[in-house]
Amino acid sequence: AQKVTQAQTEISVVEKEDVTLDCVYETRDTTYYLFWYKQPPSGELVFLIRRNSFDEQNEISGRYSWNFQKSTSSFNFTITASQVVDSAVYFCALSEQGNYGGSQGNLIFGKGTKLSVKP
Amino acid sequence: DADVTQTPRNRITKTGKRIMLECSQTKGHDRMYWYRQDPGLGLRLIYYSFDVKDINKGEISDGYSVSRQAQAKFSLSLESAIPNQTALYFCATRDSTNTGELFFGEGSRLTVL
Repeated sequence: AQKVTQAQTEISVVEKEDVTLDCVYETRDTTYYLFWYKQPPSGELVFLIRRNSFDEQNEISGRYSWNFQKSTSSFNFTITASQVVDSAVYFCALSEQGNYGGSQGNLIFGKGTKLSVKP
Repeated sequence: DADVTQTPRNRITKTGKRIMLECSQTKGHDRMYWYRQDPGLGLRLIYYSFDVKDINKGEISDGYSVSRQAQAKFSLSLESAIPNQTALYFCATRDSTNTGELFFGEGSRLTVL
């Protein structure tokens, strides 16, 4: 069955520090998709990135970068030079291409990591 | 206007009352979802629908029911609300593949006293 683990429940950093949020996943499918969402204190869920299982290139978007490693089943998210506005709960999610275990390709979310960036 | 709209945004009710949360979307997506968020538990799938005639239970469907009134509308009902259904509820849509991201509504905060 598919599973997403975000072992870090809460992280607190001081502004301008770099921080990495860990995401480890389990799946039997060879084709799958990984996602990151941000939930700021206002509560909405903001899509950040989607990555398919065949693309292991790291991705950088401004201060955000993602490291996908199939060998360790991880899709970690790094914020460089963190800012107070980065304070949020971050969710990692997995979607299988197939229908293993009746997943129907639905997104399965980790429990989230709450990031607090202090000035 | 938001692509995925949830009403009400906030609701306080009493144990035993019937509650309906409504969701409408303008994205033209076939797939719609209801998730529940509790602190420390992440987002858990309640029900999902791949089209008007295809409705499926998710991970935590007990105590809930849904209705897909049209392609654009998907409502969640709590027939007899109980305090442990106090949570933040999200509606979401997705295109007709297993590859796309979910587009979420702004959430409905429900408190059952």
